[in-house]
Amino acid sequence: QQQVKQSPQSLIVQKGGISIINCAYENTAFDYFPWYQQFPGKGPALLIAIRPDVSEKKEGRFTISFNKSAKQFSLHIMDSQPGDSATYFCAAANAGGTSYGKLTFGQGTILTVHP
Amino acid sequence: GAVVSQHPSRVICKSGTSVKIECRSLDFQATTMFWYRQFPKKSLMLMATSNEGSKATYEQGVEKDKFLINHASLTLSTLTVTSAHPEDSSFYICSVQTALNTEAFFGQGTRLTVV
Repeated sequence: QQQVKQSPQSLIVQKGGISIINCAYENTAFDYFPWYQQFPGKGPALLIAIRPDVSEKKEGRFTISFNKSAKQFSLHIMDSQPGDSATYFCAAANAGGTSYGKLTFGQGTILTVHP
Repeated sequence: GAVVSQHPSRVICKSGTSVKIECRSLDFQATTMFWYRQFPKKSLMLMATSNEGSKATYEQGVEKDKFLINHASLTLSTLTVTSAHPEDSSFYICSVQTALNTEAFFGQGTRLTVV
């Protein structure tokens, strides 16, 4: 019930291409869906987040698409760059307006962008 | 975003000893902090929620007597791994929930190696 399933496990994209990572959740109480980027040996950094009242959110090259009925959300990275090579985690929280920090993470996707 | 500092970034200790990890919120007061554990190439798993001035709330399966959490001030939470063993070797990461309760920011993590 608390799981967040993420795919693919790894992804290789050419520079300039689009990277797409997908996540699915089970707990319908989740109401906050962030994406984090993590470099080796570092803590995760928040990229972009969405709440279920919208179906899409875009910030620069990063877009989240959210399908509430399917309980799925995805991250699209446009014009992927070698510097985007990192591990990406989706996450979810039952925030209820007060707790956006208690996160359930997906398994992670290792993204490699070739020059 | 908020600045979260963890110390130390790396620590090696002998089996049977205790290790303290600090998590500081540098630019705002944090009533709630979270501690996560991450094994190599794996996802982040929530260990406990730390609330200022009260006892931490541990996730199922996390030994509260082994992982002591103290949140004595609005800017500092500590995690003490007591009687550490090699299986406790991991990457420990704290996160801080902002006062506006809108998102969480992570520290840079602490790599613990127990030999």
